[in-house]
Amino acid sequence: GAVVSQHPSWVICKSGTSVKIECRSLDFQATTMFWYRQFPKQSLMLMATSNEGSKATYEQGVEKDKFLINHASLTLSTLTVTSAHPEDSSFYICSARDISSGSWNEQFFGPGTRLTVL
Amino acid sequence: GQQVMQIPQYQHVQEGEDFTTYCNSSTTLSNIQWYKQRPGGHPVFLIQLVKSGEVKKQKRLTFQFGEAKKNSSLHITATQTTDVGTYFCAGHGNTDKLIFGTGTRLQVFP
Repeated sequence: GAVVSQHPSWVICKSGTSVKIECRSLDFQATTMFWYRQFPKQSLMLMATSNEGSKATYEQGVEKDKFLINHASLTLSTLTVTSAHPEDSSFYICSARDISSGSWNEQFFGPGTRLTVL
Repeated sequence: GQQVMQIPQYQHVQEGEDFTTYCNSSTTLSNIQWYKQRPGGHPVFLIQLVKSGEVKKQKRLTFQFGEAKKNSSLHITATQTTDVGTYFCAGHGNTDKLIFGTGTRLQVFP
């Protein structure tokens, strides 16, 4: 149980285009999902917290107009990188918290999406 | 803001040698989690510690949570080439945000 998927697993796009990344909880419901970004040889940096039915909460320094987050259902959150540039190339990872879990500590991570912007 | 640092940044060991990575938080943590990320892969959950002074073992891996709940360590006994990867600690403060440490990259030479 507690499987989180991401789609696509990798994507290459041209500079200026937008890319949508999906994060799904496959066998549980998640009121909260988290989006992380990881540059090569660096740690995971929290970008935003995605809450079902409400606006996402962005971390300091993350442009909300550039990284659009939509959490329309209890099993799906999407991250859209708008007008992507080469510096947006990174590994994007989501995690989800099980709504039924008594512990809010428990998060389940997706396999990540590797974005390359040419 | 909350910061979680790990040392060392890199560690190269000969197969069979022991390895330890240390994790230090600028603030008290409600829990500490450890993840392993293989080259090209995504972080994989290893364990969670919650209690002050808690020690847990998984085969050759020993995890410890400090008494003050601000630091933690991961010790691997007799490393194997399969232990290669980056080890991250991560913890919650008083929010549901999981803050990752800077990571320790382990290389094991046969």
